[in-house]
Amino acid sequence: SQTIHQWPATLVQPVGSPLSLECTVEGTSNPNLYWYRQAAGRGLQLLFYSVGIGQISSEVPQNLSASRPQDRQFILSSKKLLLSDSGFYLCAWTSGEKLFFGSGTQLSVL
Amino acid sequence: SQKIEQNSEALNIQEGKTATLTCNYTNYSPAYLQWYRQDPGRGPVFLLLIRENEKEKRKERLKVTFDTTLKQSLFHITASQPADSATYLCALDMSMTTDSWGKLQFGAGTQVVVTP
Repeated sequence: SQTIHQWPATLVQPVGSPLSLECTVEGTSNPNLYWYRQAAGRGLQLLFYSVGIGQISSEVPQNLSASRPQDRQFILSSKKLLLSDSGFYLCAWTSGEKLFFGSGTQLSVL
Repeated sequence: SQKIEQNSEALNIQEGKTATLTCNYTNYSPAYLQWYRQDPGRGPVFLLLIRENEKEKRKERLKVTFDTTLKQSLFHITASQPADSATYLCALDMSMTTDSWGKLQFGAGTQVVVTP
C-alpha cells in the first residue's frame, strides 16, 4: 500500500532563518506531488506541484521554493523565512484524481 | 481561480440527525468536485468525488449532490455520530489536463460538531 511521510510535525523558526521540509512517498511510482499551505481558519492554498523529477510549477510567487530530486521525494525550502510564512504545510500525492495528504508540518515563524 | 464558499460558522447538530453542508462556487464548473474530512492538526482525508455529469453520489452514510446550474454541491451526513465531528472541505478541480491531476482549489471548510 502507499504511504506518505512528512516531517517534522512541528517547527518553530526565527524570522530570517532557512527552512527545509521533506516529504516522501512509498508504494507508488511517478506520482504527482504537491505542497499546500493552510493558514488558520482558511482553506488550503496550493504552493507548488510536480509531475516528475526536476519539474516544479509554482502557483504563488513568494520566498519559498520546491525541489524534487527523486521520483518520490519533494522538498519545500526557503532561504529566509518571513512571519507570513507561518502556517500548516501539507504535502500530498496523487496518481489519479483524489489527493492523499501527509500529516502536515505546523510552522511557526517568530 | 474561482471563489469557493463554504459556511464559515460551525454546524452544531444532535446525534442521529442529518448534517447538510453547502459548497458554492462562482465561475466555471469543474470536471469534478471532491469532499474531504480534516481533523485538527491532521491532513485532509478524501471522502467522495462527484463528476459534472453526476447528480448524486453515496458512500455509506454520506451523500453528495452536484448542481452545475446552481454552481453548488451539497454534502449530507445522515444518522450523524459524535465521531463525525470534524471540518469538511470541498475542493474543485482546477485543471483540464492529465498532467495537472490534483490541482485542486479548496474551500475554507465547515466545522461540524455532533453532540450526543
